[in-house]
Amino acid sequence: DAGITQSPRHKVTETGTPVTLRCHQTENHRYMYWYRQDPGHGLRLIHYSYGVKDTDKGEVSDGYSVSRSKTEDFLLTLESATSSQTSVYFCAIRAGTGRFGETQYFGPGTRLLVL
Amino acid sequence: AQTVTQSQPEMSVQEAETVTLSCTYDTSESDYYLFWYKQPPSRQMILVIRQEAYKQQNATENRFSVNFQKAAKSFSLKISDSQLGDAAMYFCAYFSGNTGKLIFGQGTTLQVKP
Repeated sequence: DAGITQSPRHKVTETGTPVTLRCHQTENHRYMYWYRQDPGHGLRLIHYSYGVKDTDKGEVSDGYSVSRSKTEDFLLTLESATSSQTSVYFCAIRAGTGRFGETQYFGPGTRLLVL
Repeated sequence: AQTVTQSQPEMSVQEAETVTLSCTYDTSESDYYLFWYKQPPSRQMILVIRQEAYKQQNATENRFSVNFQKAAKSFSLKISDSQLGDAAMYFCAYFSGNTGKLIFGQGTTLQVKP
């Protein structure tokens, strides 16, 4: 499982409230990613990080911000949650070189419901 | 921009039989990798198989193998001796060596009948 945990695993919140999801890894990987999964869309990239304090936008970044102050933690924040952000959120790390280089491994996911 | 297309929303196979899931992609890059991920009802994303674009030899992992047709931009997954535990959604994904981003297809739901 590449030592990736996500918290919380489930969350119900109300429209307009801030929400922070946490991704934690134990293997010192440089690259970390946040995706959302919605029916009919597969997984879509929200933001990613290529090092401490180095982040960039993905395909569906509007309404989301991220921070990475330590190698092991990558936080995804919904500043003011909307119903359209109801989704399953996955964190991933990217393995380095070697047999499985460039491979992404995923956390268990967080199911978020915005009422 | 790169795109990944899985044209089969649903597939079914009899236990112990063989099934092939299709995937096509569009790119102008030469440096890329292709993946198949499995997502069972638990929602965990599990790596099934990986293919480097510069390798002509098709990847295999036990009962799973791919048919990588680079010129046709096709990357199909063959599951042999299907088992009940193979029932899941399968995602094809393209990794760009230029952007470092992973792009997913829409997924194929595989049903395995006993």
